[in-house]
Amino acid sequence: DAGVTQSPTHLIKTRGQQVTLRCSPKSGHDTVSWYQQALGQGPQFIFQYYEEEERQRGNFPDRFSGHQFPNYSSELNVNALWLGDSALYLCASSFFGGEETQYFGPGTRLLVL
Amino acid sequence: AQSVTQLGSHVSVSEGALVLLRCNYSSSVPPYLFWYVQYPNQGLQLLLKYTSAATLVKGINDFEAEFKKSETSFHLTKPSAHMSDAAEYFCAVSEGDTGTASKLTFGTGTRLQVTL
Repeated sequence: DAGVTQSPTHLIKTRGQQVTLRCSPKSGHDTVSWYQQALGQGPQFIFQYYEEEERQRGNFPDRFSGHQFPNYSSELNVNALWLGDSALYLCASSFFGGEETQYFGPGTRLLVL
Repeated sequence: AQSVTQLGSHVSVSEGALVLLRCNYSSSVPPYLFWYVQYPNQGLQLLLKYTSAATLVKGINDFEAEFKKSETSFHLTKPSAHMSDAAEYFCAVSEGDTGTASKLTFGTGTRLQVTL
């Protein structure tokens, strides 16, 4: 049973560039949430996708956008990168209407220079 | 709004000693509470969760936590620390009874060091 997978594992970008991160949920899950974890901090909720629509959103600017595909996988896009976007980006999956637990992937570490 | 406070950013214990990691929460609705562990350069692994059933929750690797509504606390304990327990521990809260997994609000984490 495959768990949550994310790609790439590491990424280096420069200021002003755009980045796309990808996530495949755990088998049987249909909901994907994204979190940003800055160094030395707890994860911060970015948004959650279900049925290909954004269901909840945290306090992040519009530069952060997402998408969910019919196969439940998801992308996180960040435009106009700045140094403060350097962080570990975590994807979590769950089953809508099922148990309350979110299962996390290994994360993508983004460094913005 | 919900929030989590983890007292002590660093905790050091000897191998075999009791582990106690503190978590207090604030929530305007009945909460669900979680403890996750993060090993270096890895994602988060669920240790245990409270979802309005038994107030004493048992998790993996002999960890347990007790939900105390009067104290708004959900402290994590383990009777005997092992070297492999050295990691970062996060307490998180979500809105309960929404019918699905809603957003998690995390604390800032506690780094557990285990010494010989």
